[in-house]
Amino acid sequence: DAMVIQNPRYQVTQFGKPVTLSCSQTLNHNVMYWYQQKSSQAPKLLFHYYDKDFNNEADTPDNFQSRRPNTSFCFLDIRSPGLGDTAMYLCATERQTGDTQYFGPGTRLTVL
Amino acid sequence: GESVGLHLPTLSVQEGDNSIINCAYSNSASDYFIWYKQESGKGPQFIIDIRSNMDKRQGQRVTVLLNKTVKHLSLQIAATQPGDSAVYFCAENIGGGSNYKLTFGKGTLLTVNP
Repeated sequence: DAMVIQNPRYQVTQFGKPVTLSCSQTLNHNVMYWYQQKSSQAPKLLFHYYDKDFNNEADTPDNFQSRRPNTSFCFLDIRSPGLGDTAMYLCATERQTGDTQYFGPGTRLTVL
Repeated sequence: GESVGLHLPTLSVQEGDNSIINCAYSNSASDYFIWYKQESGKGPQFIIDIRSNMDKRQGQRVTVLLNKTVKHLSLQIAATQPGDSAVYFCAENIGGGSNYKLTFGKGTLLTVNP
């Protein structure tokens, strides 16, 4: 059974049109992460939530926002997508910081 | 459009051979390391991990070796199968308290020839 679920799996949006990606988990993990992964590159951390505490990476553009309304769900909002935001977006969860991170299947976002 | 990515190191092996994928890390304070397998179009999948108080750990067909002296990590896959074809990332978990961060290596593309 899937433990980290991401929806949609594929998303196409237009330049400048806001988009929201969803992640849910059945593991009851405290920590949830969002990563951006471009072609042939390693995942790059955007931000994470430790419970309700939001931690932003210093180089994450302001265009990227996140919400975690409850333990199970976390959203990635891209307010005004640019062509350079075309990538795979990965959600990961972790029971506690320093433990193993488990990844979802990813959302493939294409900005036209 | 999407920016051009870096060329991944590649390893090509014959089915049934053993594979060794290497990784160097930079932070001597890192105390937890993970290998992930990522198939095309999918999220990274946990394979095996090792803590810094160990130098070897074995799983099913996989072994991870850690050499802290030279800051080197390797993943050995026994009797490699076509289903093992994927990109393999090593990752080090660095930090403390509530602020750990997973830092990924560049990745190695493993191709298994039947």
